[in-house]
Amino acid sequence: NAGVTQTPKFQVLKTGQSMTLQCAQDMNHNSMYWYRQDPGMGLRLIYYSASEGTTDKGEVPNGYNVSRLNKREFSLRLESAAPSQTSVYFCASQGISYEQYFGPGTRLTVT
Amino acid sequence: GQSLEQPSEVTAVEGAIVQINCTYQTSGFYGLSWYQQHDGGAPTFLSYNALDGLEETGRFSSFLSRSDSYGYLLLQELQMKDSASYFCAVRGSNDYKLSFGAGTTVTVRA
Repeated sequence: NAGVTQTPKFQVLKTGQSMTLQCAQDMNHNSMYWYRQDPGMGLRLIYYSASEGTTDKGEVPNGYNVSRLNKREFSLRLESAAPSQTSVYFCASQGISYEQYFGPGTRLTVT
Repeated sequence: GQSLEQPSEVTAVEGAIVQINCTYQTSGFYGLSWYQQHDGGAPTFLSYNALDGLEETGRFSSFLSRSDSYGYLLLQELQMKDSASYFCAVRGSNDYKLSFGAGTTVTVRA
């Protein structure tokens, strides 16, 4: 069991470039999440997917889009990256006891 | 919306006991979780309290008082490996979202 996997681990973008962060889980969980974490701060929810075929905005959705490709995969897209999107991005899935399992994170720098 | 407050830093020596408090303000409440995050790592789940009282898991315990909108994480017999950030997170509605506090950095000294 790999748990939650994310790619890439690191990425540097120039302002205006686009990219997609990939996330997959092998625990057969229905709910998946994308968070960002800025230095010294907690996790802020960007988007989540309660089940395959549904997505909803979280606390900070502006500048992002998501796709729940199937039950395993949930991707996050930055259409036109901005320096304010420099952050660490975590994907997570949720088990039946409301525990969330996190991927290793993607460290994104936008210059 | 939801707001959570927890102390920003706590320092203690090996073998000591540390209590990290978390107070929350939410329009609804379904449960309080705790997560541990080592520097550069991913958050890992520690506990989830939906009902009042104390839940014990090894050296770590978590407490909830819904009437006081308050919970705490108790770390006993502190070890150097417990140096990490600890986040409380509230499930404030019957959906699938968590709101996280800003985190408490615990530093364990020899």
